[in-house]
Amino acid sequence: NAGVTQTPKFRILKIGQSMTLQCTQDMNHNYMYWYRQDPGMGLKLIYYSVGAGITDKGEVPNGYNVSRSTTEDFPLRLELAAPSQTSVYFCASSQGLVIDTQYFGPGTRLTVL
Amino acid sequence: EDKVVQSPLSLVVHEGDTVTLNCSYEVTNFRSLLWYKQEKKAPTFLFMLTSSGIEKKSGRLSSILDKKELSSILNITATQTGDSAIYLCAVGAGSYQLTFGKGTKLSVIP
Repeated sequence: NAGVTQTPKFRILKIGQSMTLQCTQDMNHNYMYWYRQDPGMGLKLIYYSVGAGITDKGEVPNGYNVSRSTTEDFPLRLELAAPSQTSVYFCASSQGLVIDTQYFGPGTRLTVL
Repeated sequence: EDKVVQSPLSLVVHEGDTVTLNCSYEVTNFRSLLWYKQEKKAPTFLFMLTSSGIEKKSGRLSSILDKKELSSILNITATQTGDSAIYLCAVGAGSYQLTFGKGTKLSVIP
């Protein structure tokens, strides 16, 4: 049972570089989310999607972009990486609506130097 | 703006102790409150609470919601070193999002 998978697990970027964090779920969930977690700060929502082709901003969307062309995949794009984007990124999915339980991927630890 | 506050932020106990973690919220259109356990990696789901006064239990962990007080508690009895983790509280309200608290870091020492 794969659940939610993320790649890569770790990445170091230089300031100004770009990259895409991959997220895939095999539970046929319509709802997918990207969070970042900074030490002692809990989880902050970056973007979310309620279905293929539909995305919306969360609490901290600046510097990121997303797309959702299929139910399974929800990649997160960082353009012009900045040190403030150093964080651990989690992707999650849920059935949504009444069922709020979100299932998380293993995370990507990103460092921007 | 939806708000979720957890207390204490960190806690150190000895094995065998009982602990109570608190979560309070201020949200519009409350739907549910969830507890997650986070060890070194991804948060894992513990409980989802939607109704006041109904205790959810799983082994030594239990949780209850009080909608009048806009709060929930997570109890862990007979703590073990494996309970050491960050416990996250999240509230579902309004749209399809969860708002997370900052978490309570629990350390259980032998």
